[in-house]
Amino acid sequence: GNSVTQMEGPVTLSEEAFLTINCTYTATGYPSLFWYVQYPGEGLQLLLKATKADDKGSNKGFEATYRKETTSFHLEKGSVQVSDSAVYFCALGGGAAGNKLTFGGGTRVLVKP
Amino acid sequence: GAVVSQHPSRVICKSGTSVKIECRSLDFQATTMFWYRQFPKQSLMLMATSNEGSKATYEQGVEKDKFLINHASLTLSTLTVTSAHPEDSSFYICSARDTDRYTEAFFGQGTRLTVV
Repeated sequence: GNSVTQMEGPVTLSEEAFLTINCTYTATGYPSLFWYVQYPGEGLQLLLKATKADDKGSNKGFEATYRKETTSFHLEKGSVQVSDSAVYFCALGGGAAGNKLTFGGGTRVLVKP
Repeated sequence: GAVVSQHPSRVICKSGTSVKIECRSLDFQATTMFWYRQFPKQSLMLMATSNEGSKATYEQGVEKDKFLINHASLTLSTLTVTSAHPEDSSFYICSARDTDRYTEAFFGQGTRLTVV
């Protein structure tokens, strides 16, 4: 079945540091890949997505590239801000999974001033 | 993006009682709604998928008689945890999708259920 593995947190960074959150997956078919972000007290929000191999999703300075050869979708941001403190979830959906989303465990990121 | 409101955000109940969680799509019609559960430090696990006016489809291992899902209108789905036990304590999150308008699902804020 489908599964998503992402690095455990918490990840603590200083402002303007480089952020990487690793995400790998196993799936049948050709799923889409997503990163969701959950700010304190709020629901999950779609941060970015990629629908096929080699696609790069980007939003708010975050990027992730759909790597089929390594089954990965690592999230990166070159210079984080305090406002990026949140929990980040990697997920896959579509393809054989249809409407269903399979989530990773989430990674809490704390950015200190 | 579209807004999904989930209520309550936190609830504490006694063992043996039932708890209802509501999930509303505020500015779109949710043809499909999803209910997830998250244990501490674990992934969100899909519990069930519901389409408006139809019975919910439950994932393997989820007790449909314990987790009652109703999706009677295009803007409201409810999850009722019946005869709650401490092991039902968890974080429950709903998401909603308008398959005619959006390619993504929108999430509620989640409900922290504690059964004492």
